[in-house]
Amino acid sequence: DIVLTQSPGTLSLSPGERATLSCRASQSITTNNLAWYQQKPGQAPRLLIHAASRRATGIPDRFSGSGSATDFTLTISRLEPEDFAVYFCQQYHDSVRTFGQGTKVEVK
Amino acid sequence: QVQLQESGPGLVTPSQTLSLTCSVSGASFTSSAYYWTWVRQRPGKGLEWIGYIFHNGQTNYNPSLRSRITISVDASKNEFSLKMTSVTAADAAMYYCARENHSLRPLGPLDPWGQGILVTVSS
Repeated sequence: DIVLTQSPGTLSLSPGERATLSCRASQSITTNNLAWYQQKPGQAPRLLIHAASRRATGIPDRFSGSGSATDFTLTISRLEPEDFAVYFCQQYHDSVRTFGQGTKVEVK
Repeated sequence: QVQLQESGPGLVTPSQTLSLTCSVSGASFTSSAYYWTWVRQRPGKGLEWIGYIFHNGQTNYNPSLRSRITISVDASKNEFSLKMTSVTAADAAMYYCARENHSLRPLGPLDPWGQGILVTVSS
């Protein structure tokens, strides 16, 4: 199985700051079949980014994804109050889908 | 608008079978572009992919759970189901159903998700 390791575990930032979240894969995801999800307390995850860099419908352009092979990044250019949440990466390259353990973005 | 809704008992006795159903509305359930998926999240933990089913019954399971799970489909009702046998406290979690959407590329992400159903394992 492909293991996804997210870092940092927690990111403490202020509104308006830039957030950079990392997702590293144990094997190369040659198809770039990697997604990012946002989860707020008491809610289901919501798709933000798919195919490593494509924003899902309705997602603000302050969210961007980049990377390839084993290193992927989610960037939030300017944090809005509603962006403080947990973010998960997921690969759908391998037949066994896997998720990263999550990065919590909290208010500093 | 596509909607998924989980249903089933919120309390399961240890060693018994967990049975959940996901009802799908607003989407063509038999489309070749979708895999119907179960994911779970233990309290305070990350997400664990359980498996998926295609509308024709083809399945793909997480190897760590394969011996205990069955995902089935009733296309006539736009529903798919999860059965997990011999549950223990470690199976207590929020269970989500979701659609793996392949409409834009050969493989795709999970979108949308159901709201989830909390399953407790206790006698």
